[in-house]
Amino acid sequence: EDKVVQSPLSLVVHEGDTVTLNCSYEVTNFRSLLWYKQEKKAPTFLFMLTSSGIEKKSGRLSSILDKKELFSILNITATQTGDSAIYLCAVDDPGNTPLVFGKGTRLSVIA
Amino acid sequence: GAGVSQSPRYKVAKRGQDVALRCDPISGHVSLFWYQQALGQGPEFLTYFQNEAQLDKSGLPSDRFFAERPEGSVSTLKIQRTQQEDSAVYLCASSLDYPRGDQPQHFGDGTRLSIL
Repeated sequence: EDKVVQSPLSLVVHEGDTVTLNCSYEVTNFRSLLWYKQEKKAPTFLFMLTSSGIEKKSGRLSSILDKKELFSILNITATQTGDSAIYLCAVDDPGNTPLVFGKGTRLSVIA
Repeated sequence: GAGVSQSPRYKVAKRGQDVALRCDPISGHVSLFWYQQALGQGPEFLTYFQNEAQLDKSGLPSDRFFAERPEGSVSTLKIQRTQQEDSAVYLCASSLDYPRGDQPQHFGDGTRLSIL
């Protein structure tokens, strides 16, 4: 059975800190790994990763995938209170389930 | 519209009632998905449509759950004889063409269903 595990489950940091969120997975047929940010409403898309070792960046956020060790990390530098959210990791296994999600990491950034 | 639109945003029903949740995907998106998100959990897959064809319904928890997308655009998730454990947020997502594998799913704001 496909499995996606995120750590930590929750994290509290101060503004300006750098954080690293972890996602490990076990799936039958890996196609891609996606990161989403969920505030009070819809999960919003951050990154889609398909190849190992290629970092994707968007402003203060970046992510990288390791297909050999079956994990991904999401980095946020110079955190702001607006980064407070649940960060969801999901893996696409088209032969099994379109997206398998982890439980998410709840990030709280305090001023 | 610009994004995935779901209605209603909130639904309260008494146990045993039937409910219908609506999803209007991004225009031109062929693939449509329904997920159930319980409090403190990640979304869990329910079902997937490619145009009007329901290609995967393996995540529907029981035969009380039924989804349709008759014209390949708007979709409805129906839950019959609701039970308290059906209380959750129901998320709809769409993507341009899921089998291509190069486009992410985009989510709506969800319908929060509470069964009393």
